[in-house]
Amino acid sequence: GENVEQHPSTLSVQEGDSAVIKCTYSDSASNYFPWYKQELGKRPQLIIDIRSNVGEKKDQRIAVTLNKTAKHFSLHITETQPEDSAVYFCAASKTSYDKVIFGPGTSLSVIP
Amino acid sequence: DGGITQSPKYLFRKEGQNVTLSCEQNLNHDAMYWYRQDPGQGLRLIYYSQIVNDFQKGDIAEGYSVSREKKESFPLTVTSAQKNPTAFYLCASSILGASSSGNTIYFGEGSWLTVV
Repeated sequence: GENVEQHPSTLSVQEGDSAVIKCTYSDSASNYFPWYKQELGKRPQLIIDIRSNVGEKKDQRIAVTLNKTAKHFSLHITETQPEDSAVYFCAASKTSYDKVIFGPGTSLSVIP
Repeated sequence: DGGITQSPKYLFRKEGQNVTLSCEQNLNHDAMYWYRQDPGQGLRLIYYSQIVNDFQKGDIAEGYSVSREKKESFPLTVTSAQKNPTAFYLCASSILGASSSGNTIYFGEGSWLTVV
């Protein structure tokens, strides 16, 4: 079955710097890759996603890149702010009838 | 997201008791899920259901039970057989078949269960 790995497990950056979180997946048939942000004590919320027919997607300070050949995808946050501090989960799935497989999460701390 | 309601938000259970966590969605989503999250840990799938009156075990189903009698409702019972039930429980839902690729999962606000 699908396996999703995520690195690093913790990340600290200075406010204003960029943060990059990387994920790899094992099943080449996976074609949908969402990213979730979970603030302390709250539910995970979708912040951006990418499908396999797209190599990059951007939404303001957040961007996601996908390399299907290498089976990895990354989340890029630019100009980080303290409110970006949270746990970020990557995920992968095939069709909508298949389970979504989550990575173990990355705890991001943005230091003011 | 606001269309998935979990209750109660906080629940205390005595050892040996069964408790039921409620999850209701008004998004007309086909699939519903239950995840468990321990402090500082990731998301582990307990059960999921893609259609009424049918459900499948996830990765950690032992000690839990579910039902799906209505499309909008997917309650989770934590039984006394679950030895370490203290955790944050997240209900989620998604549409099936909307895309040829994967589905977006939307989460409820979660329920905190503590064994006392």
